[in-house]
Amino acid sequence: GNSVTQMEGPVTLSEEAFLTINCTYTATGYPSLFWYVQYPGEGLQLLLKATKADDKGSNKGFEATYRKETTSFHLEKGSVQVSDSAVYFCALSDWTGGFKTIFGAGTRLFVKA
Amino acid sequence: SAVISQKPSRDICQRGTSLTIQCQVDSQVTMMFWYRQQPGQSLTLIATANQGSEATYESGFVIDKFPISRPNLTFSTLTVSNMSPEDSSIYLCSVEGTGSNEQFFGPGTRLTVL
Repeated sequence: GNSVTQMEGPVTLSEEAFLTINCTYTATGYPSLFWYVQYPGEGLQLLLKATKADDKGSNKGFEATYRKETTSFHLEKGSVQVSDSAVYFCALSDWTGGFKTIFGAGTRLFVKA
Repeated sequence: SAVISQKPSRDICQRGTSLTIQCQVDSQVTMMFWYRQQPGQSLTLIATANQGSEATYESGFVIDKFPISRPNLTFSTLTVSNMSPEDSSIYLCSVEGTGSNEQFFGPGTRLTVL
């Protein structure tokens, strides 16, 4: 079955540091890939997405590229801010056997001023 | 996009009782999903609820424990039955953005079972 593996946290960075959160997946079909973010005290919301190989999703300075050859969708940001402190979830969705989204374990990011 | 509301936002319940969580969407949707997010954990899909048919439950979740209703295209309920402290969690309602494969989430219901 489908699965998502992302790096364990927490990740602690200083403001303006470079961020990478690794995510790899296994899938039998042709999934869409997502990063969702959960800010403290808030609900889950979509950060960015990519629907096919080599697509790059981007939003709020974050980027991730759908790499089919390495089955990866790593999240990157060149310069993090304190306001980026949150939990980040990598996820995949596809219609194999009916529509379903599988989430990774989540990575908590702390950004220090 | 879709705007989703859930009621209650939180509750504290006694062991052995049941709680029904309501989910309302501002537009008609085919599929609604119920997730559980235990403290510090990821999201686990409980079931998929389609209007006019029985909900489809994931492995480890059964209808007797988590009965679901889906009376129309904008509303669903999840009941957590015969609760135990292990049911303490956040329960999230979600819908799929039509044709986009992304999901929109409600604010969640934080349940504590004593």
